[in-house]
Amino acid sequence: GDSVTQMEGPVTLSEEAFLTINCTYTATGYPSLFWYVQYPGEGLQLLLKATKADDKGSNKGFEATYRKETTSFHLEKGSVQVSDSAVYFCALRRHNQGGKLIFGQGTELSVKP
Amino acid sequence: SAVISQKPSRDICQRGTSLTIQCQVDSQVTMMFWYRQQPGQSLTLIATANQGSEATYESGFVIDKFPISRPNLTFSTLTVSNMSPEDSSIYLCSVLQGIEAFFGQGTRLTVV
Repeated sequence: GDSVTQMEGPVTLSEEAFLTINCTYTATGYPSLFWYVQYPGEGLQLLLKATKADDKGSNKGFEATYRKETTSFHLEKGSVQVSDSAVYFCALRRHNQGGKLIFGQGTELSVKP
Repeated sequence: SAVISQKPSRDICQRGTSLTIQCQVDSQVTMMFWYRQQPGQSLTLIATANQGSEATYESGFVIDKFPISRPNLTFSTLTVSNMSPEDSSIYLCSVLQGIEAFFGQGTRLTVV
C-alpha cells in the first residue's frame, strides 16, 4: 500500500543553520505531495505542496521539489529560525482516494538561538 | 480557507465510557475526515464522513467502536466508544477545500 517515510527526529539545529528533512514515498501513479507543520500547542497547517513531478512547492523560506525518479519530496530551508521549531509531517494524496491523506511519522525540529 | 472548531479540546475519561467529539466548519463541505494521532506517532485516517450517507471506515476501524454522524454540510461528530487506555490519542477533524486539507485543533483524549 501507499506509504510515506521521513527521517527520524528530533533534529536540533542552531539558528541560521541549513535544514533538510528527508521524505520518500511509495504510491501508485502520481500522488500530490504535501508538507504540514504543527507548531507547539497549535493545529496542523499546510506548509507547501506539489501536485506533479518536478513541481517545487515553497512557503516561508521552505522549499521542496517533487522528484518522481527518486520518489522523494525533501524539505529544505537555507537559514532556520527559532520560530521554525515545530513538528513537520510529509504526506501524500492519491487523486482517486477521495481526499485521504497518508502521513509520514513526523520529524520534530528544535532550533536553538 | 476553512476554519474548524473542535470540542472538547481535551478530556480525561474513565475506561468503559464513551466520548463524543464535535467538529464544526465555517463553510459547507462535502467530505469531512477523522484522523487519530497516537502518542509519538503519525496521523492515521479513521473514516471519511459524507453528508447523507454512512461513513467509510479505514482498515482497522469499525463503526461500533467509532460511530460517526454527519447531519449537515458543516458539522460532524465522532464517538469513541467503550474506551480503553489504548484509545488515548489526539483525534482530529479535517476538511478538504480544493487540494488543501484543513485541520481542527484536535481533541486530546486520555483514558484512565
